[in-house]
Amino acid sequence: QLQLQESGPGLVKPSETLSLTCTVSGGSIRTSSYYWAWIRQPPGEGLKWIATIYYSGNTYYNPSLKSRVTISVDTSKNQFSLKLSSVTAADTAVYYCARRVVVGVNDAFDIWGQGTMVTVSS
Amino acid sequence: DIQMTQSPSSLSASVRDRVTITCRASQSISIYLNWYQQKPGKAPKLLIYAASSLQSGVPSRFSGSGSGTDFTLTISSLQPEDFATYYCQQSYSPPHTFGGGTKVEIK
Repeated sequence: QLQLQESGPGLVKPSETLSLTCTVSGGSIRTSSYYWAWIRQPPGEGLKWIATIYYSGNTYYNPSLKSRVTISVDTSKNQFSLKLSSVTAADTAVYYCARRVVVGVNDAFDIWGQGTMVTVSS
Repeated sequence: DIQMTQSPSSLSASVRDRVTITCRASQSISIYLNWYQQKPGKAPKLLIYAASSLQSGVPSRFSGSGSGTDFTLTISSLQPEDFATYYCQQSYSPPHTFGGGTKVEIK
């Protein structure tokens, strides 16, 4: 079955750029009706959608983070990635990658990676 | 942004209890409402999509209802494995916002 796995540094210094990759296995990222997303969760807090990308390269960003975020896709590697620039302690969170299915009124994050903790600290 | 408000923020219940969680949207979202379950240290799991459709593999004791601005998630008979935090999420318009969560604890 389809699986998602996040990878990247667990510690990032303030003002630097956070970079994460999500590898999709068990299926192709080039599938219609599926989008690929990043969502984060600060320790002890709720969930926040960051960005979404379609395999064609169409991107969608949360306006609150848009100025600092870049999402990209590499279909040859079946991966998509997140870059978040100028990080602060407020960006410390578990970062999840997820598949978003869009079929009629079914529009949900139906498969998630296990998540990766990223701490911003000097 | 569409604000999603869940209530209560936490509740205590016993096994076999009927549990109801409410989610209210700040504007009408039709039936573009999803429910997730999250256990400590784990990723969220999709339970209900489009307000009332049960995700494949999810037990039938979970059900969802509502449309417009008011939605409910019901667990008909709480089981030990259901103690977790539940989140609603709107997919009507971006940014796709989540509720603050409802923690279901053992009484």
